[in-house]
Amino acid sequence: DAKTTQPTSMDCAEGRAANLPCNHSTISGNEYVYWYRQIHSQGPQYIIHGLKNNETNEMASLIITEDRKSSTLILPHATLRDTAVYYCIVRLRLQGSQGNLIFGKGTKLSVKP
Amino acid sequence: DADVTQTPRNRITKTGKRIMLECSQTKGHDRMYWYRQDPGLGLRLIYYSFDVKDINKGEISDGYSVSRQAQAKFSLSLESAIPNQTALYFCATSDPSFGGGFGTDTQYFGPGTRLTVL
Repeated sequence: DAKTTQPTSMDCAEGRAANLPCNHSTISGNEYVYWYRQIHSQGPQYIIHGLKNNETNEMASLIITEDRKSSTLILPHATLRDTAVYYCIVRLRLQGSQGNLIFGKGTKLSVKP
Repeated sequence: DADVTQTPRNRITKTGKRIMLECSQTKGHDRMYWYRQDPGLGLRLIYYSFDVKDINKGEISDGYSVSRQAQAKFSLSLESAIPNQTALYFCATSDPSFGGGFGTDTQYFGPGTRLTVL
């Protein structure tokens, strides 16, 4: 699976949009971009994933550049409860026995009042 | 009720003791996973199972064993616990047909078990 690079930490004001970048310059054509988050010591929570088109759901939007070498997770109106570590994971399109997600160190997002 | 549950949520034990961590899910997913997380680090895969008759080792399976008793239940055992197995343990489930699109396999995690081995 391709490696990802994320900033170690970011701050965001409550009510503002939080934009979390991720670089995945070695991504291949059959790899998805996934985003998870982990609120202190809780189980990781799935947020969104995409292949090449931008995606939006009730939690967030995912913007993937045309060359697919980077992406941005957007939380449109951050709240204090969005304070968490956000993980960007690049993962092969499901084939055979691929099992795990490879979690890096993620970005620690702190939403401040 | 939570879709993925883990018991116990916290456990303190002594070196050499046998410990079992249990995971149950009501999501109807075939695939289940056990991960561990150490402070400041990402999650690492211990074992995974794609169906009741399938068990696979992950990257750090030494010192652990698993049992897939049913589609809904996946247990992790430490036969003889040692202090460096002190960690947060997470169970996860997935279904490759769920979450939109062939080739996706979104995983859903339980709340975790905090295990301390003295």
